[in-house]
Amino acid sequence: DAGITQSPRHKVTETGTPVTLRCHQTENHRYMYWYRQDPGHGLRLIHYSYGVKDTDKGEVSDGYSVSRSKTEDFLLTLESATSSQTSVYFCAISEQGGGTGELFFGEGSRLTVL
Amino acid sequence: DQQVKQNSPSLSVQEGRISILNCDYTNSMFDYFLWYKKYPAEGPTFLISISSIKDKNEDGRFTVFLNKSAKHLSLHIVPSQPGDSAVYFCAASLYGQNFVFGPGTRLSVLP
Repeated sequence: DAGITQSPRHKVTETGTPVTLRCHQTENHRYMYWYRQDPGHGLRLIHYSYGVKDTDKGEVSDGYSVSRSKTEDFLLTLESATSSQTSVYFCAISEQGGGTGELFFGEGSRLTVL
Repeated sequence: DQQVKQNSPSLSVQEGRISILNCDYTNSMFDYFLWYKKYPAEGPTFLISISSIKDKNEDGRFTVFLNKSAKHLSLHIVPSQPGDSAVYFCAASLYGQNFVFGPGTRLSVLP
């Protein structure tokens, strides 16, 4: 199994509070991604990173920010959580970016915003 | 509008029979396709892929067929086993861009 750890695995928070999800990898892969999974939508890309300090927006980036200060860590921040951000969040890594290589996923972080 | 569609939210199949999961896409320029399997409370795991230069790729019990003219691909599982019960996601990419995932199909293999 690819060495990907997401934390926390479960979180319940209130509307308006900040939330940070962490993704840690031990594979030294260049590319890291944050997806959210919602019923009827599958997996949608929030943000991705193609190197330290190099990030870009995905399909559903509004309300989210990311940071990557080290190769192994990719943080997803909800500055002010809303109920629409209740979802399961998956981190993924790949050696090759741009939809050319296999994605390896973490186990997911379930976030509930009340 | 979804670029990758999986029009069957769920599918039930008897153990030992064939499971066929379908995926349609709208962008004819997609050139690489993957299938992922997801169990509850776990992350998706890679199952099989196919490039647009091929029309079939086989790996054990799993075969993916690509029909470019119809913009359609399908995943065949033969024979189906109870452990195959999971959600299956189809994903597509255009070289240089990130994957686009379908909404998933939940497969139940009945013993």
